[in-house]
Amino acid sequence: EVQLVESGGGLVQPGGSLRLSCAVSGFTFSTYAMTWVRQAPGKGLEWVSAVSDSGVTTYYADSVKGRFTISRDNSKSTLYLQMNSLRAEDTAVYYCAQHYSGPTFQHWGQGTLVTVSS
Amino acid sequence: EIVLTQSPATLSLSPGERATLSCRASQSVSSYLAWYQQKPGQAPRLLIYDASNRATGIPARFSGSGSGTDFTLTISSLEPEDFAVYYCQQRGNWPPITFGQGTRLEIK
Repeated sequence: EVQLVESGGGLVQPGGSLRLSCAVSGFTFSTYAMTWVRQAPGKGLEWVSAVSDSGVTTYYADSVKGRFTISRDNSKSTLYLQMNSLRAEDTAVYYCAQHYSGPTFQHWGQGTLVTVSS
Repeated sequence: EIVLTQSPATLSLSPGERATLSCRASQSVSSYLAWYQQKPGQAPRLLIYDASNRATGIPARFSGSGSGTDFTLTISSLEPEDFAVYYCQQRGNWPPITFGQGTRLEIK
């Protein structure tokens, strides 16, 4: 059974940092690209960042470029999102997702809530 | 950036009726369009990929069509569990990957 389990969310002050993790099981992690998608409260889905299977190539939405860093540890089957200089508008549930047939997302985690507030 | 526009924003139908949801892209995405269903408090669920291919375990009442800039998700006969929010998503020209704003399918 495929499982993606996010952790690391919480309450952080504006300007602060947080690192999200996504622990994966049930598939060969090192052979799939991965993505982070977020959803602000009551809003739609927003793609945040993606990383290739090897971790060499990364992609970012303009809204997070220069502040967020995606990475992965294939030996631990874990995906990360380092979030710096957080803003109120980064408040959202953050989902990790597995790429399937390119960036189409068949398997998702349950999400972790990040709240940026003073 | 490719903008996806979904219509209608809200669709009110009864169980057993046919639902037709639309997604229009600001430029061609070929057939690289997916549809997701999301229920409150849950992660999205992949329904359709590459415009017309049902994902694993998705009932046959869900079908997708279209190419280029105009796409349709059809639910042939609504079941009570189908009332949810539906999103389209393109991978035809990325980054960025983009989603539509969603269509809420509600019980009439």
